[in-house]
Amino acid sequence: AQSVSQHNHHVILSEAASLELGCNYSYGGTVNLFWYVQYPGQHLQLLLKYFSGDPLVKGIKGFEAEFIKSKFSFNLRKPSVQWSDTAEYFCAVAHGNNRLAFGKGNQVVVIP
Amino acid sequence: DVKVTQSSRYLVKRTGEKVFLECVQDMDHENMFWYRQDPGLGLRLIYFSYDVKMKEKGDIPEGYSVSREKKERFSLILESASTNQTSMYLCASSLYDRGNQPQHFGDGTRLSIL
Repeated sequence: AQSVSQHNHHVILSEAASLELGCNYSYGGTVNLFWYVQYPGQHLQLLLKYFSGDPLVKGIKGFEAEFIKSKFSFNLRKPSVQWSDTAEYFCAVAHGNNRLAFGKGNQVVVIP
Repeated sequence: DVKVTQSSRYLVKRTGEKVFLECVQDMDHENMFWYRQDPGLGLRLIYFSYDVKMKEKGDIPEGYSVSREKKERFSLILESASTNQTSMYLCASSLYDRGNQPQHFGDGTRLSIL
């Protein structure tokens, strides 16, 4: 079945540590890829997106993601996290008629 | 800035009641979506609409229906609420552009069915 996979649902790390969240998808053909973030008590907001071109995309708040087509992956990274990065992170794939398929999310807790 | 407004932040209803969740967007977006968000399950699409009076089933439409009489408003209806519909419900909207446009989300409605 077509799906979006995010591993390590709960991630706990200290400030200044590096963060990498994996995202793998199983949809064929052309896909558009997104990472969304949901800070505690807030609505989901777009972190970054990939449609075409440079496979390394930069988003808000120092986040970046790399699209590796051969691996069907779109991993999110941040070199040095802050306490304010505590949030839930969702990978999403656009497939057909503007629908998004979401992964199950990564709950990230940054300890000061 | 895009604004997606959901009518209630918290809602408590009883089993068997008919429940309406309302969503309004102010950016003239063609697409509107309803999701439910449950811990460990991510977001699951219930229904979406790409035009007035048009609707398509998402991944988990059972027990739900929708209404889109005006472009800016998309309603989710629980025909006969059940306890397994206790969840966070999220509304989203986007421009119609073959998946090239991000979705914009409301704050969510946390619905409890007793």
